[in-house]
Amino acid sequence: SQKIEQNSEALNIQEGKTATLTCNYTNYSPAYLQWYRQDPGRGPVFLLLIRENEKEKRKERLKVTFDTTLKQSLFHITASQPADSATYLCALGDDYKLSFGAGTTVTVRA
Amino acid sequence: ETGVTQTPRHLVMGMTNKKSLKCEQHLGHNAMYWYKQSAKKPLELMFVYSLEERVENNSVPSRFSPECPNSSHLFLHLHTLQPEDSALYLCASSQETGEADTQYFGPGTRLTVL
Repeated sequence: SQKIEQNSEALNIQEGKTATLTCNYTNYSPAYLQWYRQDPGRGPVFLLLIRENEKEKRKERLKVTFDTTLKQSLFHITASQPADSATYLCALGDDYKLSFGAGTTVTVRA
Repeated sequence: ETGVTQTPRHLVMGMTNKKSLKCEQHLGHNAMYWYKQSAKKPLELMFVYSLEERVENNSVPSRFSPECPNSSHLFLHLHTLQPEDSALYLCASSQETGEADTQYFGPGTRLTVL
């Protein structure tokens, strides 16, 4: 069965540094991958989409890469700020169906 | 939030109760979803509706019964639940059930089953 792993449950970093989150998957060939942000007590909010034929996507301070050979996506938050503190979810997509990872909670220290 | 709203935000119920969760989307979307999010676990897709027709029922127990009376409203009717059903129930909508359509989530209903 398919498996999606996000590198760690929690990531603590200093303000201004780059946070790098990993999403690995097995037994799956997704057509696309999305990253979402979830704050406590809130629903996930869409951040970025990358398709299987794309290597990299950027949006402001966010960058995502997608390596279908390694079956891995990396999500980078550059020049991190305390307001970036949240849980980040990767979601692998096939048609309209999304399969989510358990998430990585990022805490940015001022 | 004005995009996708869910009521109630919190619900405590006994195993013999019957309750309903409500979701409303104000985005003009045609697809709506129910997800379950348990602590430390990934979101699990439960049901998908497209233009009020159920297109996905992800092996969900019959004690969960969805209803989609129109493309703006989605309900999840609950009866004889178990304590392990305690979780955050999230509703989402998307323009269509097309590939990579962005899903917009509501704030969720935190359900506790005693």
